[in-house]
Amino acid sequence: AQSVTQPDIHITVSEGASLELRCNYSYGATPYLFWYVQSPGQGLQLLLKYFSGDTLVQGIKGFEAEFKRSQSSFNLRKPSVHWSDAAEYFCAVKGFQKLVFGTGTRLLVSP
Amino acid sequence: DTAVSQTPKYLVTQMGNDKSIKCEQNLGHDTMYWYKQDSKKFLKIMFSYNNKELIINETVPNRFSPKSPDKAHLNLHINSLELGDSAVYFCASSPGTGAGNTIYFGEGSWLTVV
Repeated sequence: AQSVTQPDIHITVSEGASLELRCNYSYGATPYLFWYVQSPGQGLQLLLKYFSGDTLVQGIKGFEAEFKRSQSSFNLRKPSVHWSDAAEYFCAVKGFQKLVFGTGTRLLVSP
Repeated sequence: DTAVSQTPKYLVTQMGNDKSIKCEQNLGHDTMYWYKQDSKKFLKIMFSYNNKELIINETVPNRFSPKSPDKAHLNLHINSLELGDSAVYFCASSPGTGAGNTIYFGEGSWLTVV
């Protein structure tokens, strides 16, 4: 069965600094990987996804993620964080019929 | 226009009551889902329907009963509400069931049982 680990529960980043959120997955076949963001009191918005091809994928709001099969990782990055990026970020892997989420990483942005 | 819409967004109710959450998608998708987000923000699938047929039921109590009158709608009815049912319930949809189909989520319904 597929699973996702997000090792960081909270991360605090200064505004303007770079960001990397870690995600490791476990899946027996070719993984379909996603990052979603949930702002306070809001729903889940898709940031980006990886299905195949180029291992560096670009998403919305200036985010990107890199798929590394050898490390079973799909880390999310942003070169310069804005205060509006403060939110909960979820990595997920999709197998047949369902999406399995990690436990999320809360991003706090300090001035 | 909201692609996946669910109502109500907020719901406060007493223990023992019965309540429903409605969901509609206008994306023309075949597959719809209900996910539950608990107080620790953990997201877990509850149900999935494909072309109105139930395909996933993840050991959810019988008090929860989904109903899909057509492909565009998936409603969730909850009987005899308990305190532990307090959570955020997300409706979602995808073009199909295959792994390569992206799932799109609604805005969530915040259920509080008092």
